[in-house]
Amino acid sequence: QKEVEQNSGPLSVPEGAIASLNCTYSDRGSQSFFWYRQYSGKSPELIMFIYSNGDKEDGRFTAQLNKASQYVSLLIRDSQPSDSATYLCAVKKSGGGADGLTFGKGTHLIIQP
Amino acid sequence: NAGVMQNPRHLVRRRGQEARLRCSPMKGHSHVYWYRQLPEEGLKFMVYLQKENIIDESGMPKERFSAEFPKEGPSILRIQQVVRGDSAAYFCASTAGEGDTQYFGPGTRLTVL
Repeated sequence: QKEVEQNSGPLSVPEGAIASLNCTYSDRGSQSFFWYRQYSGKSPELIMFIYSNGDKEDGRFTAQLNKASQYVSLLIRDSQPSDSATYLCAVKKSGGGADGLTFGKGTHLIIQP
Repeated sequence: NAGVMQNPRHLVRRRGQEARLRCSPMKGHSHVYWYRQLPEEGLKFMVYLQKENIIDESGMPKERFSAEFPKEGPSILRIQQVVRGDSAAYFCASTAGEGDTQYFGPGTRLTVL
């Protein structure tokens, strides 16, 4: 089982709709969860982080965490063509400490005008 | 620009040469992480450094790769005797402290001919 799994896509969503991106992780000891956006040829850009079970909202983005199911998701409301990118789910195995982030391979999102 | 800086942005080396990649963390940050992104692959953690200390190098290949973060100056990722399989994008990220959110630099695209 891969440590962090994402559907590679492409996920195609019409403009204005809600895009739903999902991620599962294998290490129950994981404490911190991150969503990064990466445009082709560019570096990852932090979208959101979440540490506690439940929902966390920031503008058009909502991150959802369910530690019992080892599941993280990102919802993008009112999707725009500029949201078209690869979305990377990342997990940190401990609340603090020396570990780097473990990334999924990313989901390629396409917002259709 | 107070963001994470990396140079060079593009580096071309022939097999057997050495590659040196530099990373200057965000102002006020003293923790640096290096990641490698192979074509069509996710980001993989390589090494975590603080000033003058390697904290976690569990993701570093055992041979040819080394990293340092001296008291003065940027962090350096050094690849000796490069091979074609080293061709990738190398990103560094910085934080102010352990467990903090990581912000990525623009990356160095290494091409080995």
